[in-house]
Amino acid sequence: GAVVSQHPSWVICKSGTSVKIECRSLDFQATTMFWYRQFPKQSLMLMATSNEGSKATYEQGVEKDKFLINHASLTLSTLTVTSAHPEDSSFYICSASTSGRLNEQFFGPGTRLTVL
Amino acid sequence: QKEVEQNSGPLSVPEGAIASLNCTYSDRVSQSFFWYRQYSGKSPELIMSIYSNGDKEDGRFTAQLNKASQYVSLLIRDSQPSDSATYLCAVRRTGNQFYFGTGTSLTVIP
Repeated sequence: GAVVSQHPSWVICKSGTSVKIECRSLDFQATTMFWYRQFPKQSLMLMATSNEGSKATYEQGVEKDKFLINHASLTLSTLTVTSAHPEDSSFYICSASTSGRLNEQFFGPGTRLTVL
Repeated sequence: QKEVEQNSGPLSVPEGAIASLNCTYSDRVSQSFFWYRQYSGKSPELIMSIYSNGDKEDGRFTAQLNKASQYVSLLIRDSQPSDSATYLCAVRRTGNQFYFGTGTSLTVIP
């Protein structure tokens, strides 16, 4: 199957700092990448959808200035959590899809962010 | 009305039994349907895709799609304790719009 990687797998940072998470599709070109957040024992929450070379589309209630998404190429998207606060602590998961794979969506392993 | 609805469970079945997971969706123009498995603390893993009415089998898993009833299900035969996880139903509409259900928690009892 298609492989999506995320880096880092976990990160601990101090309140007020920024954290960048990378998402890469390793063996296919992703026309679209998605960013999700999941709190413990809760369902996936879509944060934003990004297409290569264009601005991300954010879901209602997600602050675009706080969660900066860059989709620089067909294999790389980054999510930067700016001025992180303890309430931003969560499991962040990216996924990628491409029309060439019947639009299946493949998930990265996730990044666990803890803000102290 | 939610785009995708699943019974949150928990669903418990004994080892070796058939687990049946159900999902309904609201938009008739939905084109593709997916089942994901998510273990606690891990990200979702795609286990089945189905695009046309009928059944699709892959090992112990069978996905069933009924577009007229807007219903998709997943059967797990010979359930194993390692199948214990949350199962997410996902639906794709035109373009790249995906909608996920909230998941059904399955426990397979040894």
